[in-house]
Amino acid sequence: GAGVSQSPSNKVTEKGKDVELRCDPISGHTALYWYRQSLGQGLEFLIYFQGNSAPDKSGLPSDRFSAERTGGSVSTLTIQRTQQEDSAVYLCASSLSVAASKNIQYFGAGTRLSVL
Amino acid sequence: GDSVTQMEGPVTLSEEAFLTINCTYTATGYPSLFWYVQYPGEGLQLLLKATKADDKGSNKGFEATYRKETTSFHLEKGSVQVSDSAVYFCALSGDSNYQLIWGAGTKLIIKP
Repeated sequence: GAGVSQSPSNKVTEKGKDVELRCDPISGHTALYWYRQSLGQGLEFLIYFQGNSAPDKSGLPSDRFSAERTGGSVSTLTIQRTQQEDSAVYLCASSLSVAASKNIQYFGAGTRLSVL
Repeated sequence: GDSVTQMEGPVTLSEEAFLTINCTYTATGYPSLFWYVQYPGEGLQLLLKATKADDKGSNKGFEATYRKETTSFHLEKGSVQVSDSAVYFCALSGDSNYQLIWGAGTKLIIKP
């Protein structure tokens, strides 16, 4: 596609439910990143993928968070047993690769998650 | 670890005023530096970047110079417009290359 696409754009869920957030990167981009943006805060790195593998999962806040990427394209971020502190905007970005000269990250519009 | 500090907002200016948003960083090695902008209701967009000391990034009338001696990457624009109202984020890409380290963002409000 022309840009990074994320769905849903908004998600309201009840505490304790599981949610899945989807990211469709720019075609041809091998690297994909997930960030979290809490109200009034900067962006918090969660995880990145190079192809289908995730070399660094250290940013995931807890074991309730997981992510996968299939076919080197679409990625899903899953949050199990959601808590109110999970409420935030979840941003996905992609880049040609992780090499420094090519690591210009292009962002989707985000998924706003509200946990009631 | 690496970090980015930028001035707190909101910054409120009148149209055609001069803009400076300060950004300083802490990093080992030679990071690349970025300014991203987030317009209301839209995703983050890369505004400009610089990859080595003394480089000047520029776009849409905005400029920022990579100053290694002061570890700064201040964003400037000579004459702002109402359409520049947005949140501006300073970020760096360090030796790991993959993870962008972000400032907290500065909300800019331009009044006509």
